[in-house]
Amino acid sequence: EPEVTQTPSHQVTQMGQEVILRCVPISNHLYFYWYRQILGQKVEFLVSFYNNEISEKSEIFDDQFSVERPDGSNFTLKIRSTKLEDSAMYFCASSVSSGGGAGNEQFFGPGTRLTVL
Amino acid sequence: AQTVTQSQPEMSVQEAETVTLSCTYDTSESDYYLFWYKQPPSRQMILVIRQEAYKQQNATENRFSVNFQKAAKSFSLKISDSQLGDAAMYFCACRSGSARQLTFGSGTQLTVLP
Repeated sequence: EPEVTQTPSHQVTQMGQEVILRCVPISNHLYFYWYRQILGQKVEFLVSFYNNEISEKSEIFDDQFSVERPDGSNFTLKIRSTKLEDSAMYFCASSVSSGGGAGNEQFFGPGTRLTVL
Repeated sequence: AQTVTQSQPEMSVQEAETVTLSCTYDTSESDYYLFWYKQPPSRQMILVIRQEAYKQQNATENRFSVNFQKAAKSFSLKISDSQLGDAAMYFCACRSGSARQLTFGSGTQLTVLP
């Protein structure tokens, strides 16, 4: 069964450094998402992406963050100048559609644990 | 804005028994969807069951069923004949019809005792 994959599984970086988290969504999916979960807190929405554009973003997704689909398979989240509070598990997800029906089910990747020192 | 609340951080159930996980939500939308996701240890979240708000009938998927009380904004998950493989973190989530983002609850850690 197709799955969303994410690399790396764990990333350690120094405060102020840039990181890129990578995701490979399911191949026929058109909508892509990033969520994050700070340890002990809820899973929070960051951004959704469709047709090479951001379609929704949360207050968390400020100028420090950017997303890109550099080729036909990868979907990346870049964090510029990481801060200690960026330490979290970052989940990528994808869906076939965003409307009603079963096609809007979001399939999640296993996550990347980002540790900022 | 939507909120989702799971008031049970941890639950346990004996193998083969039934357990109910609670979830309440709040949304101003009339069109929305509700979901239960399961996250086994070190694995990705997978969808367990979904409910469209416009459907009155409670969703069922094999041993998993929901009790959707729209007026009370309650969406509980019942797991029948619990199995060891059901042990996981369970997240309740809500998505409005007009948005793409999921709003999650804080999760319930379910332990299944042999």
